[in-house]
Amino acid sequence: AQTVTQSQPEMSVQEAETVTLSCTYDTSESDYYLFWYKQPPSRQMILVIRQEAYKQQNATENRFSVNFQKAAKSFSLKISDSQLGDAAMYFCAYRSASSNTGKLIFGQGTTLQVKP
Amino acid sequence: KAGVTQTPRYLIKTRGQQVTLSCSPISGHRSVSWYQQTPGQGLQFLFEYFSETQRNKGNFPGRFSGRQFSNSRSEMNVSTLELGDSALYLCASSLPGASYGYTFGSGTRLTVV
Repeated sequence: AQTVTQSQPEMSVQEAETVTLSCTYDTSESDYYLFWYKQPPSRQMILVIRQEAYKQQNATENRFSVNFQKAAKSFSLKISDSQLGDAAMYFCAYRSASSNTGKLIFGQGTTLQVKP
Repeated sequence: KAGVTQTPRYLIKTRGQQVTLSCSPISGHRSVSWYQQTPGQGLQFLFEYFSETQRNKGNFPGRFSGRQFSNSRSEMNVSTLELGDSALYLCASSLPGASYGYTFGSGTRLTVV
């Protein structure tokens, strides 16, 4: 069974600085997708960034980028130029590439505080 | 384009009652999944529906059930409510294909008293 682990329950960053959130996962599959979701107090989970396991190039979305290390099964999220609106809980998630399942497996989450 | 709509947003029920939660996916999304979120257990997968068929089910008791209609709208039902069922229930929809991330609704906050 696949597992996702986020070892940092809480992180804080100064506005305009850079912060990295960690995520590790365990799987025996070779093809899968990894996601970072953001959950602000409004409760709605928002997709931040997506990475295909077969792609070596790290995904980037504006100020958000990932460091995907497939051999190490590590998938960290880097937020550059942090803004107050980035304050939220961040979840790392795994999805098998199998067409038979759409199940997302989530980590425990990291609460990010952004200090002005 | 409308997002994923979940109703109601808040619900208070008494132990032993049953409850039905509704989810309307994004137009064109045929895959709908449900998750339970609690402070202690985090986000746990309940079940997934695709084209009216349950494709996967999480490790929850039979009191938890769901269904999907021909218009892709989904409902989940919890019977004989227990205090431990108090949680945020999130629905998410996706286009077919594993490469797509899910779009989530704002959830239904269920409180069992």
